Amino acid sequence: GAVVSQHPSWVICKSGTSVKIECRSLDFQATTMFWYRQFPKQSLMLMATSNEGSKATYEQGVEKDKFLINHASLTLSTLTVTSAHPEDSSFYICSARVRTGAQPQHFGDGTRLSIL
Amino acid sequence: EDKVVQSPLSLVVHEGDTVTLNCSYEVTNFRSLLWYKQEKKAPTFLFMLTSSGIEKKSGRLSSILDKKELFSILNITATQTGDSAVYLCAFINTGNQFYFGTGTSLTVIP
Repeated sequence: GAVVSQHPSWVICKSGTSVKIECRSLDFQATTMFWYRQFPKQSLMLMATSNEGSKATYEQGVEKDKFLINHASLTLSTLTVTSAHPEDSSFYICSARVRTGAQPQHFGDGTRLSIL
Repeated sequence: EDKVVQSPLSLVVHEGDTVTLNCSYEVTNFRSLLWYKQEKKAPTFLFMLTSSGIEKKSGRLSSILDKKELFSILNITATQTGDSAVYLCAFINTGNQFYFGTGTSLTVIP
């Protein structure tokens, strides 16, 4: 079945660092990928919709200059958290839309980001 | 504003019990409703519901959608400790965007 790979799974870094998270669709082409953020014991919050070859669509309240999304190919979308601060610490999950099959999207395993 | 509300927020049951999780929604441009199970990592797909009144079943889990009353339920019968997880419902709008509910944390104790 369709697989989405997300990397890294865990990252710890100092405040002020920029962190890049990759989301790859391994056996299918994903024209659309989604980025979510999840705080402890809370639900997934859609941050942005990433479309291959065009600018991402951000949800209200999400800073596009803070969370840079690039979807340069049909199998890769990246989320860069720029100048990360402790309040950016969270669990970030990507997903890719699947055109056919029972499931409408497949999730990556998530990235746990901890900013010190 | 679109919203998806799940209840209860958390639930503790004993093995063998049957549980019913609720998901109500107020959305525009509704397309489908989905249920996911989330343990430590990414959510695992359970069901996708598009039509009202048609029950979907997988083993001890089943789900149904009521588009008139705008809610869905997820039933788990004969619960096991492995069912302990957060259960999320989400809707897809006609723009193919997903919006998740608040989640229900289920704990099954032996």
